Amino acid sequence: DVQMTQSPSTLSAHLGDAITITCRASESISRYLNWYQQKVGKAPKLLIYSSSSLQSGVPSRFSGRGSGTDYTLTITNLQPEDFGIYFCQQTYYTPYSFGQGTKVEIK
Amino acid sequence: EVQLVQSGVEVKKPGESLKISCKGLGYNFTNYWIGWVRQMPGKGLDWMGIIYPGDSDVRYGPSFEGQVTITADKSVSTAYLQWSALKASDTAMYYCARHYRGASDSWGEGTLVFVSS
Repeated sequence: DVQMTQSPSTLSAHLGDAITITCRASESISRYLNWYQQKVGKAPKLLIYSSSSLQSGVPSRFSGRGSGTDYTLTITNLQPEDFGIYFCQQTYYTPYSFGQGTKVEIK
Repeated sequence: EVQLVQSGVEVKKPGESLKISCKGLGYNFTNYWIGWVRQMPGKGLDWMGIIYPGDSDVRYGPSFEGQVTITADKSVSTAYLQWSALKASDTAMYYCARHYRGASDSWGEGTLVFVSS
């Protein structure tokens, strides 16, 4: 099974900051990498699919990049509604494994 | 508008059986894979499995194979997740999600399952 490792586990940032979350796969997943945001008590929400494609309705301050085993999610100009937990997921091989999550907090 | 409507909160005892549901609305249910994801209290997301309602092809995550059964009834646009004998460790929120362009693009609101004696 493909293991997904996210870093950092927790990230504290100010409003207006730019932040980057990293996700590393245990083997190449050929850009089949998605990013989700989850708020407390809510279902996850798709932000980025196929490594870098922005889901409809998601603000352009969210961006993704990467290939092979290494991927990043960048949020520029951090807004109050951006705080929550972010998960990566690979969908190249079943089981479609998730990273352990990155909690983004207000500093 | 695509919607996935999940069944309500369940409170069960260990050893009991359970079947929860996920109804797809606003799209052709038959043509999209539907996945199930577990989230235990305060924890991350665990991928359980996925089904293609068109032919009921199912793939399970190794931790869940033999522990749950995923089915779908395309005549009522509904996917199901069932247990034959619940354990306390099955206490969690369970989400269904539509799979499109390699990602889970629409999610249900979740079904909370609480198992306690």
